[in-house]
Amino acid sequence: AQSVTQLDSQVPVFEEAPVELRCNYSSSVSVYLFWYVQYPNQGLQLLLKYLSGSTLVKGINGFEAEFNKSQTSFHLRKPSVHISDTAEYFCAVSAIIKAAGNKLTFGGGTRVLVKP
Amino acid sequence: SQTIHQWPATLVQPVGSPLSLECTVEGTSNPNLYWYRQAAGRGLQLLFYSVGIGQISSEVPQNLSASRPQDRQFILSSKKLLLSDSGFYLCAWSVEKRSNYGYTFGSGTRLTVV
Repeated sequence: AQSVTQLDSQVPVFEEAPVELRCNYSSSVSVYLFWYVQYPNQGLQLLLKYLSGSTLVKGINGFEAEFNKSQTSFHLRKPSVHISDTAEYFCAVSAIIKAAGNKLTFGGGTRVLVKP
Repeated sequence: SQTIHQWPATLVQPVGSPLSLECTVEGTSNPNLYWYRQAAGRGLQLLFYSVGIGQISSEVPQNLSASRPQDRQFILSSKKLLLSDSGFYLCAWSVEKRSNYGYTFGSGTRLTVV
């Protein structure tokens, strides 16, 4: 079984400042890693995912994340945030197995509030 | 391309009334389908998932049920709503047996039970 911990439930940040959202996971097998964003009253959208290869993954809207296997982390960063980045962000993992019902395990989410 | 439709977008229902939320996927076949709920201030809770027609797995005991009458249709139901059923309900699909695809989510249904 897998588990995901997002260490910060809320992150206030000023516009044009950098932001980092922390995600740690636990798994007995290798995993794929995902970050999703949820804007108010909307569904979740995929920001980026790590499958293999380079540990630095670039996603949409200027976000990037770095996979660190030794620390079992997948932190999300953006060098300069905009007001429009105000949203909730979810980290998720999926076991690398071909099985029916390949469920994602989600973290508890981090609310980012960008202040002018 | 694949799309997922979820309706209605918002719903206000009295306590004790029935519920039916529908989710359909287009442009793919034999998807895995999921129902999630977000209660106010809480994270995502997986309610049900389905790997095929008529195959439903329940993650938590509750006042809700799910059905999959067709390959790309997933329905969430309740016979009698409780106040605690209020929340934001999300449907999602994924490619069968491909864990590297992640999920694609619908736009959600905001349910308020009064």
